[in-house]
Amino acid sequence: QSVLTQPPSVSGAPGQRVTISCAGNTSDIVTDYYVHWYQQLPGTAPKLLIYDNNNRPSGVPDRFSGSNSGTSASLTITGLQPEDEADYYCQSYVTSLKGVCVFGTGTKVTVL
Amino acid sequence: QVQLQESGPGQVKPSQTLSLTCTVSGGSVSSSDSHWSWIRQPPGKGLEWIGDIFYSGTSSATTYYNPSLKSRITTSVDMSKNQFSLKLRSVTAADTAVYFCARLSMTDVFDIWGQGTLVAVSS
Repeated sequence: QSVLTQPPSVSGAPGQRVTISCAGNTSDIVTDYYVHWYQQLPGTAPKLLIYDNNNRPSGVPDRFSGSNSGTSASLTITGLQPEDEADYYCQSYVTSLKGVCVFGTGTKVTVL
Repeated sequence: QVQLQESGPGQVKPSQTLSLTCTVSGGSVSSSDSHWSWIRQPPGKGLEWIGDIFYSGTSSATTYYNPSLKSRITTSVDMSKNQFSLKLRSVTAADTAVYFCARLSMTDVFDIWGQGTLVAVSS
C-alpha cells in the first residue's frame, strides 16, 4: 500500500557519501507534507532520524541530513560509518487519502 | 522520559481476534500533545501504519485508521491503567508481523517507539 518508493538497497565504503531517495507516486505527498526519516538497526524498533524534511533530533550525528525538493525527498549520509548499516524508512502523509500516514518501502544500507 | 511496552499473545489462530496492549510509562495516555499509534512490520518487510488514537480529555477519543485495515480495527484508551490497545479481527497469515506501539507527536512524527512484539497467525 506504500506510495513512497525508495531504492531497495544502497552501499558504500566507510567515509563515503550515500543518498537514499523517497519518491511519491503522486505530487500530493512530499509536496504537501513534511517528510521524516527513521533508522532501524537489526532486531530493533525504528528510531527517528530526521524530522520535518531536514531537522535532526538531539543526539543524531550531523553526518545525517535530509532534503525535500517538492517532488522527491532524500536522506544523505556524509562520511558513512560501520554503525550506519541499517534499514532506513521515509514517512509522510497523503493528501488524497485524507491525511493517511504512509511509510516508504525501505532501503537497506550496507557498509562495504 | 516516556517509554512504551507492548504486551499480548504471541500467537493467534486464523479468523480470531488479535489483541495487544501498550503500557505508557513516564507520561500520560491522556496527554494533549500525543497521539498513540500502532505500526506493524511483517517478517522481512517494511513498516505499515495501522492507526492511532487521540484522547481529547473530554471523555472521548478520536481515531485514525489505515483505510486498508479500517474494517477490522478497534483501538481504545484505558486511562486508569495508562494503556492503549489494538484489536484486529478476522486475522489471517498475512497479519503475522512485529507490532509496534509508538507515540505520534503533535508535529506528526513517531518520536517514541515500543520494542515491538511478534504476533504469529497460525493454527
